[in-house]
Amino acid sequence: NAGVTQTPKFRILKIGQSMTLQCTQDMNHNYMYWYRQDPGMGLKLIYYSVGAGITDKGEVPNGYNVSRSTTEDFPLRLELAAPSQTSVYFCASSLSGMSGRSDGELFFGEGSRLTVL
Amino acid sequence: LAKTTQPISMDSYEGQEVNITCSHNNIATNDYITWYQQFPSQGPRFIIQGYKTKVTNEVASLFIPADRKSSTLSLPRVSLSDTAVYYCPGGGNKLTFGTGTQLKVEL
Repeated sequence: NAGVTQTPKFRILKIGQSMTLQCTQDMNHNYMYWYRQDPGMGLKLIYYSVGAGITDKGEVPNGYNVSRSTTEDFPLRLELAAPSQTSVYFCASSLSGMSGRSDGELFFGEGSRLTVL
Repeated sequence: LAKTTQPISMDSYEGQEVNITCSHNNIATNDYITWYQQFPSQGPRFIIQGYKTKVTNEVASLFIPADRKSSTLSLPRVSLSDTAVYYCPGGGNKLTFGTGTQLKVEL
């Protein structure tokens, strides 16, 4: 199993450009998450999904969009990139959530480092 | 969102036991408590989880009191390689991580 795979690993964008960060998992996990981590800071939840066709906002959703058409894929779309979106983006997945279940362990991808100039 | 509170940083020496405490003031009845470890330029890695009392695995122990308002991650005999950021995320299914605790282990 590859686990959680993120592409690209690095990307430089110009202000106003758009792009999609890809995330795919091969563990048949229901839950998927997108986080961003600014230098020296903790992780902030952008969006999450509890299953195909279901997504919900996290702490910092503005400027981003997601979709979950399949169990495996959870792409993150950046529209009109801004310097404030310069960050490392982590995708994660889990079999279940942390509420009422003991199998909610998160598996993280290696991250996508995005710079907006 | 059920946020957690933990110390920003801690220092220790090799061979010592380190205890990091997290406050879970708004934890929901059904939520499990988990801890993660993150090294620079890597995604967080799961360490341990529990619901109440004490849980131990090959890496750490987790102590959760009866009221579940806090949890303590215990790392026995730390080494330099345990230098990392440790998180106790909250929020149930909407898992939020916060800033974590930067543990620095020295010789």
